[in-house]
Amino acid sequence: EVQLVESGGGLVQPGGSLRLSCAASGFTFSSYEMNWVRQAPGKGLEWVSYISSSGSTIYYADSVKGRFTISRDNAKNSLYLQMNSLRAEDTAVYYCAREAAMALRCFDYWGQGTLVTVSS
Amino acid sequence: QSALTQPASVSGSPGQSITISCTGTSSDVGGYNYVSWYQQHPGKAPKLMIYEVSNRPSGVSNRFSGSKSGNTASLTISGLQAEDEADYYCSSYTSSSSQVVFGGGTKLTVL
Repeated sequence: EVQLVESGGGLVQPGGSLRLSCAASGFTFSSYEMNWVRQAPGKGLEWVSYISSSGSTIYYADSVKGRFTISRDNAKNSLYLQMNSLRAEDTAVYYCAREAAMALRCFDYWGQGTLVTVSS
Repeated sequence: QSALTQPASVSGSPGQSITISCTGTSSDVGGYNYVSWYQQHPGKAPKLMIYEVSNRPSGVSNRFSGSKSGNTASLTISGLQAEDEADYYCSSYTSSSSQVVFGGGTKLTVL
């Protein structure tokens, strides 16, 4: 069974940093592209970042470019999101999502999400 | 403002059919057959319902179907059931640097 479990969320002050993790199991992690998608409270979904299976190709949404860094450790079956210079508007539930093998930028499995709250 | 435009809400009675539209541009919905639809119940993670405009993942009911015409994609749910009440989001690959764009979401109410 495919499982994605996020961790690392919490309350952080504006300008602070946080590192999210996503532990993957039930599939060959190193063969799949991965993404982070976030959802502000009561709002819609917003794509945040993409990383290829090898980690060699990375994309970011303009809203986080220069502040967030996506990475992965295929030996540990883990995906990460380093978030720096956090702003109030970064407050959201952050989901890690597996990119489907059969379609571009289509997410077939999602974690349960981890809440990041940026507030003083 | 979301990149893809969806109606904020739709409603229907059990057994009826409803359609949710998703309008983009030639740089996303109109330019590629990489439109997906997700269902999200309150407090839960999104679930993939349709990929590549009209394909259903294994395990998704055939009451869910997708289509596209020009820059507008559509999700149709036939034989509405109470369990279909949820938020629905469309997404598309885009040639812009953002890679993926989502719609603002549509709240489906089963009357």
